Amino acid sequence: ETGVTQSPTHLIKTRGQQVTLRCSSQSGHNTVSWYQQALGQGPQFIFQYYREEENGRGNFPPRFSGLQFPNYSSELNVNALELDDSALYLCASSLRLASDTQYFGPGTRLTVL
Amino acid sequence: DQQVKQNSPSLSVQEGRISILNCDYTNSMFDYFLWYKKYPAEGPTFLISISSIKDKNEDGRFTVFLNKSAKHLSLHIVPSQPGDSAVYFCAAVEYGNKLVFGAGTILRVKS
Repeated sequence: ETGVTQSPTHLIKTRGQQVTLRCSSQSGHNTVSWYQQALGQGPQFIFQYYREEENGRGNFPPRFSGLQFPNYSSELNVNALELDDSALYLCASSLRLASDTQYFGPGTRLTVL
Repeated sequence: DQQVKQNSPSLSVQEGRISILNCDYTNSMFDYFLWYKKYPAEGPTFLISISSIKDKNEDGRFTVFLNKSAKHLSLHIVPSQPGDSAVYFCAAVEYGNKLVFGAGTILRVKS
C-alpha cells in the first residue's frame, strides 16, 4: 500500500505565471484536501474534494482551483502567481468523507520570484 | 484570529525525560483533535488523536490530554528520544473535515 505522493518536489515560477501541482491519494482514500504552509506557520486549508466534487473551501481567492479525478488523484492549480504564494503545498487524503484523520504527502515547495 | 494556538515556538528536553507540548483553542464547536509530527522536507505524520468525549488517549510513549472546560490539550512524550526532535502541530477538525492547525512547536531532544 503506497502513501500519499506529490509531484513535483520543488518548483520555481515567476510572478503572473500559472502552476499545477499533483497528488496521488493513499490507496482506497476517496477524499483529498489541499493545504498551504507558509514559512513558520501551520498548514492552512485551501479546499477539499470528495468523489470529484469540491466539498469545502478555505479563505483563498478563486485563482486557486482544483480537480479530483475518478481514481481520486487530484490537482491544485494556481493562476496569476504572486510572491506570497511561495510556500509548501501539502496534499492530504482520508479514507472517507467522515474520517477525521488525514494522511499527508511530502509536499511541493513552490517558490515565486 | 487564530482558533488553534501553540504558544511555545520551541521546547528543549533531555533524552529520557518527559516532553509536554501544549495547545489552546477558542472554538467550542471543535470536537476532535489531532497531533502531527513533521520532519524537515517531509509532510506531517499523524501521531495521535482524541475525541471530545474523552479526556485522555494513549498510544505507546504518546499521551494526549484534553481539558474541554479550559479549551486546552497537551501531548506528553515519555520517555523522550532524540528521534522525537521535530515540529509538532496541534490540529482541530472543523466542519467538513477541514483541519485547523496551530503554528507548531519545535521539539529538540538532547542526548
